[in-house]
Amino acid sequence: AQSVTQPDIHITVSEGASLELRCNYSYGATPYLFWYVQSPGQGLQLLLKYFSGDTLVQGIKGFEAEFKRSQSSFNLRKPSVHWSDAAEYFCAVGADTGRRALTFGSGTRLQVQP
Amino acid sequence: DTGVSQDPRHKITKRGQNVTFRCDPISEHNRLYWYRQTLGQGPEFLTYFQNEAQLEKSRLLSDRFSAERPKGSFSTLEIQRTEQGDSAMYLCASSPTPGQGGYEQFFGPGTRLTVL
Repeated sequence: AQSVTQPDIHITVSEGASLELRCNYSYGATPYLFWYVQSPGQGLQLLLKYFSGDTLVQGIKGFEAEFKRSQSSFNLRKPSVHWSDAAEYFCAVGADTGRRALTFGSGTRLQVQP
Repeated sequence: DTGVSQDPRHKITKRGQNVTFRCDPISEHNRLYWYRQTLGQGPEFLTYFQNEAQLEKSRLLSDRFSAERPKGSFSTLEIQRTEQGDSAMYLCASSPTPGQGGYEQFFGPGTRLTVL
């Protein structure tokens, strides 16, 4: 069974500081990996995805993530955080066959201090 | 850009009542998923459709829950005899056919259900 762990429930960073959100996954084959962002009371917006190829993927809003197979990780990074980045971030893993439903982590809530 | 839409956005009901939610996917997407998200958690898979066929249901989906997707277009999720434990955000997502540009899922804004 596939699973996702986001070890940090809550992170606070200062505006302009760099950010790294951790994600570890468990999946028997090559995973499809995603990062989504959710603002309060809203649905999920896709930030970036990894299917194959280059292990460093670029996403929207200046985010990037690096797939490290040896560490079963897919950490999200941003060099300089903006106040508007405050939200909940979810890492998800999906299979490359079958129903392809996503398994999500429990999320990391990001607060940005001025 | 017509993304995934859900209706209603909020629903407050009394325990024991039936509720129905609607999801309109992106028109060319033939896969449609329902997820449930409780406070402080990530979304959890409930069920999915390939066109009009419901192909899988999670064990989370008790027999009080039923979903349909007539004609492979919009979908409805009905909860009968609601319980307080059903209070959650119900999210719908759609995706294109797997293999045609990947299968990223596009989510709607969700329906927040509160059962009193």
